[in-house]
Amino acid sequence: DAGVTQSPTHLIKTRGQQVTLRCSPKSGHDTVSWYQQALGQGPQFIFQYYEEEERQRGNFPDRFSGHQFPNYSSELNVNALLLGDSALYLCASSLGGARNYGYTFGSGTRLTVV
Amino acid sequence: AQSVTQLGSHVSVSEGALVLLRCNYSSSVPPYLFWYVQYPNQGLQLLLKYTSAATLVKGINGFEAEFKKSETSFHLTKPSAHMSDAAEYFCAVRNNAGNMLTFGGGTRLMVKP
Repeated sequence: DAGVTQSPTHLIKTRGQQVTLRCSPKSGHDTVSWYQQALGQGPQFIFQYYEEEERQRGNFPDRFSGHQFPNYSSELNVNALLLGDSALYLCASSLGGARNYGYTFGSGTRLTVV
Repeated sequence: AQSVTQLGSHVSVSEGALVLLRCNYSSSVPPYLFWYVQYPNQGLQLLLKYTSAATLVKGINGFEAEFKKSETSFHLTKPSAHMSDAAEYFCAVRNNAGNMLTFGGGTRLMVKP
């Protein structure tokens, strides 16, 4: 049973560029959440997608956007990259929209902005 | 807004000693609380969760946590530390709508031989 798959595992971008990160949820899960984890800090919630809609959003600027596809996979897009966007981006999948007792996290994408 | 505070960014114990990682929460409603572990260069793995069924929650790898409403605490314990327990531990609280987790700053556990 495949868990949460994220790609790529690492990437390096230049300030001002745009980046797209991808996430495939655990089999049977229909909800995807994205978190940003800066070095030495706890993860911070970016947003959650359920039924192809953004259901909840954290305190992140509009440069951060996302999408969920009919197969429940999801993308996180970040525009106009800043040095401060360097972080580990974690995807978490779960079942059932609001009734999330069990989140399964992927191993993350390490983004470095130079 | 709900929040959690983890006291002690670094904890060091000897192998075989008791592990105690502290977490205090702030919530206006009965909270749903979680402990996650993160090994280097990996994602988060769920250790245990409190969903109001029982105040003493047992998790994987011999960890357990006790929910104490009077102290607004949810501390994580393990009777005997193993070298393999060395990792970063995060306490988290779920929001009322059930669609986001708020994490503490984490505690790095070091285990000395």
